[in-house]
Amino acid sequence: KQEVTQIPAALSVPEGENLVLNCSFTDSAIYNLQWFRQDPGKGLTSLLLIQSSQREQTSGRLNASLDKSSGRSTLYIAASQPGDSATYLCAVRSYHNDMRFGAGTRLTVKP
Amino acid sequence: EPEVTQTPSHQVTQMGQEVILRCVPISNHLYFYWYRQILGQKVEFLVSFYNNEISEKSEIFDDQFSVERPDGSNFTLKIRSTKLEDSAMYFCASSEEDATNEKLFFGSGTQLSVL
Repeated sequence: KQEVTQIPAALSVPEGENLVLNCSFTDSAIYNLQWFRQDPGKGLTSLLLIQSSQREQTSGRLNASLDKSSGRSTLYIAASQPGDSATYLCAVRSYHNDMRFGAGTRLTVKP
Repeated sequence: EPEVTQTPSHQVTQMGQEVILRCVPISNHLYFYWYRQILGQKVEFLVSFYNNEISEKSEIFDDQFSVERPDGSNFTLKIRSTKLEDSAMYFCASSEEDATNEKLFFGSGTQLSVL
């Protein structure tokens, strides 16, 4: 059974800092991994999708990497801004399960 | 930008009552999903729907739950007899192709409170 873990659970950084969010998963037989952003009371916004054959994806200040063999992904946020404050969720679509989510990292970027 | 729309945003119901949560997926999408998030817990998969039938469902999606696409635009989740533990945020999602290849687009959710 796929288990997805995100570390840290919460992170607070000053504006302008670069930061890394971590996601690990137990079953490496995956189709893809997706990073989402969730604002309070809102839905999930897809940030980046990495297929199992890919090692990274970039969108603006965001870069996500995938190491399937070790069951890890990172989301790198460059030059963080207060508007980046949200909960970031990692979700894995594996061969044997539906999409499984991590518990999220709650990010606060202080002005 | 096209988006997934969910109504209502909040629903309060009495235990044992039936509720229907409504969703309008993105118009050219073919795959539809329901997820839920109990307060303080992870987002959990409920069911996926393609070509007018359920393609996958989780152990949460028992006989009290059903889904329907009554017309070309709406996708509904019905809970037949609500329980206290059904209180959660329910998210609808859609994708153009199967989620093994495509991003999922989520709605803003319906907050269901069962009293």
